[in-house]
Amino acid sequence: QKEVEQNSGPLSVPEGAIASLNCTYSDRGSQSFFWYRQYSGKSPELIMFIYSNGDKEDGRFTAQLNKASQYVSLLIRDSQPSDSATYLCAVRSNAGNMLTFGGGTRLMVKP
Amino acid sequence: DTGVSQDPRHKITKRGQNVTFRCDPISEHNRLYWYRQTLGQGPEFLTYFQNEAQLEKSRLLSDRFSAERPKGSFSTLEIQRTEQGDSAMYLCASSSAWTGEKLFFGSGTQLSVL
Repeated sequence: QKEVEQNSGPLSVPEGAIASLNCTYSDRGSQSFFWYRQYSGKSPELIMFIYSNGDKEDGRFTAQLNKASQYVSLLIRDSQPSDSATYLCAVRSNAGNMLTFGGGTRLMVKP
Repeated sequence: DTGVSQDPRHKITKRGQNVTFRCDPISEHNRLYWYRQTLGQGPEFLTYFQNEAQLEKSRLLSDRFSAERPKGSFSTLEIQRTEQGDSAMYLCASSSAWTGEKLFFGSGTQLSVL
């Protein structure tokens, strides 16, 4: 079992819709949770991080964390074609500084 | 300073050769990370430096891999006796206490082992 799991997709949504991306993790000692966006051929860039259970909103993005269920999600409201990318979920445990990444979900937003 | 710089952008080598990559982090950043990413996968952690000290190293990392950060500034990653399975994008990232947990990634070095 991978430590951080994501559906590889592609997840296809129409422009203007809500895109919902999900991630599960296995290490209950995980403390910090991140969503990175990676455009094809580019390096990852951080878009959201969350530490506490519940929701965290930043513009069109909402990160949701449920530690009891070991589940993290990212919602993208009013999806735009420019949101088309691979979204990587990453987790840091309290044991060190390394991030463990999931395999990523490819999102396609169709005009 | 425009960001994390990696050199070279691409490297093609024959199996069995040694290769070395360089990473120049953002100048104020004292934390430096190396990751490896293959097509369709997320980045895989290799090693972590705080200043010049190598504090973490992946247990999966072969002893053919070695990294240094001699003066706490730039870092090098060397792969000895390369194998075809080493073909990947090698990503460097940096951060500091000021940036918190946000990692700034470089553009990577794409390694192809023939």
